[in-house]
Amino acid sequence: EAQVTQNPRYLITVTGKKLTVTCSQNMNHEYMSWYRQDPGLGLRQIYYSMNVEVTDKGDVPEGYKVSRKEKRNFPLILESPSPNQTSLYFCASSWLGRRGHTDTQYFGPGTRLTVL
Amino acid sequence: AQKITQTQPGMFVQEKEAVTLDCTYDTSDQSYGLFWYKQPSSGEMIFLIYQGSYDEQNATEGRYSLNFQKARKSANLVISASQLGDSAMYFCAMREGPRSNFGNEKLTFGTGTRLTIIP
Repeated sequence: EAQVTQNPRYLITVTGKKLTVTCSQNMNHEYMSWYRQDPGLGLRQIYYSMNVEVTDKGDVPEGYKVSRKEKRNFPLILESPSPNQTSLYFCASSWLGRRGHTDTQYFGPGTRLTVL
Repeated sequence: AQKITQTQPGMFVQEKEAVTLDCTYDTSDQSYGLFWYKQPSSGEMIFLIYQGSYDEQNATEGRYSLNFQKARKSANLVISASQLGDSAMYFCAMREGPRSNFGNEKLTFGTGTRLTIIP
């Protein structure tokens, strides 16, 4: 089954304790991205990657890091989480370049993070 | 200016009726893509339907269709014969610019419409 997986699905942590949210896709997509969803603000892009070892900042990158060492994986790293990073996080993936009907992004199930 | 506007924060619809969720967008690009996603209370984002700016036909996927009016910059989602399981948040999103092998495929989302189906 084609899918994007994220782990963990739920996480409660404390300020300053480093954490990693994993994301993996099995569709051989070049493009992967992280979003955060906050009430009243919708979804905002944190980081994206166009291929292995190619990453760049989105709209709200402060406080986050990413890496893309393998095509299928795109982990999100919070080196020193703070309460304002409490949010619902989504990983998404898609192909690059136009492929007509398949021009869509597939989202993971989300990770609900609470930073105390 | 908002790039994606969803003017209906909430809607209540009787089961089996058709429902239209409004979405208007703002872009100066000639090439772009429009998407609708469903977010049930469990939180995941489920892709429903896609419309490319150069697609001449309105997109359809089962009970979902996209009423694309390019001149009006409107991309309304139509759900036919609504079901109780359609109760969820619905988001309209846009990817701006032509697709390439080098671009950010960022989606810009609206604030969503909460749809409640009444039995």
